[in-house]
Parts: sequence; C-alpha cells; structure tokens
Amino acid sequence: DQQVKQNSPSLSVQEGRISILNCDYTNSMFDYFLWYKKYPAEGPTFLISISSIKDKNEDGRFTVFLNKSAKHLSLHIVPSQPGDSAVYFCAASYGTASKLTFGTGTRLQVTL
Amino acid sequence: SAVISQKPSRDICQRGTSLTIQCQVDSQVTMMFWYRQQPGQSLTLIATANQGSEATYESGFVIDKFPISRPNLTFSTLTVSNMSPEDSSIYLCSVPRASGLVYNEQFFGPGTRLTVL
Repeated sequence: DQQVKQNSPSLSVQEGRISILNCDYTNSMFDYFLWYKKYPAEGPTFLISISSIKDKNEDGRFTVFLNKSAKHLSLHIVPSQPGDSAVYFCAASYGTASKLTFGTGTRLQVTL
Repeated sequence: SAVISQKPSRDICQRGTSLTIQCQVDSQVTMMFWYRQQPGQSLTLIATANQGSEATYESGFVIDKFPISRPNLTFSTLTVSNMSPEDSSIYLCSVPRASGLVYNEQFFGPGTRLTVL
C-alpha cells in the first residue's frame, strides 16, 4: 500500500522555466511533509518542508503548496537551473514520530 | 546539520553471504534509521535503532535478516544476512535533525550500494 505517491517518474523542463513536481498521499494522519533532492551516489538532502497547518511555504526558488482536502502537495522551482537536475522525493510523517514515508521519486531534468 | 558517513560505499557479494554496513555520525543522536531503496523504488524504512535498546523493525523486516547494532550514540551497523539477489539495493542510514521536536527532517548518509550475484 503506497501511502505517498509521485505519479510522474520523470519531468523535463527548460532552464529558467518553472518546474512543478506533484505528490499525493492517502493517509489523512500525515501532518508534516518534506521534499528531498537526491543526486546519484549521494544520500537524499532535505530541501523544504510544510506542516499541515499551512498551505504554502517558500524558501528562495522553492515553494511547496499543500492542499489537504485533495491530499496533494506540489513543489515549485522557479526559475529552474541545470543544477536542479536530480531525483526529488516527497515524504510524510505524523505526530511525534520521526518516521518518514517516501514517495517513489520524480527525476527532474533541466535542459539548457 | 549532521555529517554521516557509511562504509562500504558499495559492494558486490555472493548469494548466501552476509554484509555489515557501518554508519558513523559526527554528533551524538538518540535515534538512527536504516532505509532501503530497491532499484526504481522509494526509500523504505527498515528499522529504527535507539542506543541501549533493541531496534524496532517495520512490517516486512525481521531481526534475523537485518540485525542491527547500536553500541553508542554516534555509530550503528546493519547486517544484511544470507543475501539473495533481491537484497540488491541502496542501504542508507539517517538521523533526525533534532530529537524531542515534533517535526523533524532527517539527514541521510551517502548510502551503500549493494549488488548480490
């Protein structure tokens, strides 16, 4: 049972344009959501997060939007840069548990 | 942020053998996590390792297959026992940013890429 889903395995975006990565979840208990970026041969690195009491969180070029009624979140990268090319994972947790449930990832390719 | 190292970074093993993966953190942490990422799949939590107590395993993972040690607050090992090709994965350890907080991001090690022939 995949509780966190990223339905797009890959995405290609031109440099300077907006990248939108999507994530859906099924467990209504989740109250904290995170995005991680992963380069080959490296561990995932934390990018941005949002708690369920908010619907938007912004950090520089990265913005995460949360739609609780739709159980959907998205990561916007504006403007996209070639260095953003990586696999992006969304993850979710709930309560005081630090345990994270990950999606399957979306490979973003930013082209020149 | 925590700096996490893992050894080995990669290995190729024969089926039926065992491999022990080490995870070293540059600061003391209460909780450490072990994840597996099978090819093309998401990261799946194997177990949570607390110092001074037995590891807590997630559904589908058992101690006989993935024994874990946590001898101190900066170190942990995960052993993949009696390996089969299905165990070919990237194994990662992680630690929470700060214990005691409700919301935590985690820092991950670079991973150990295991191939079982």
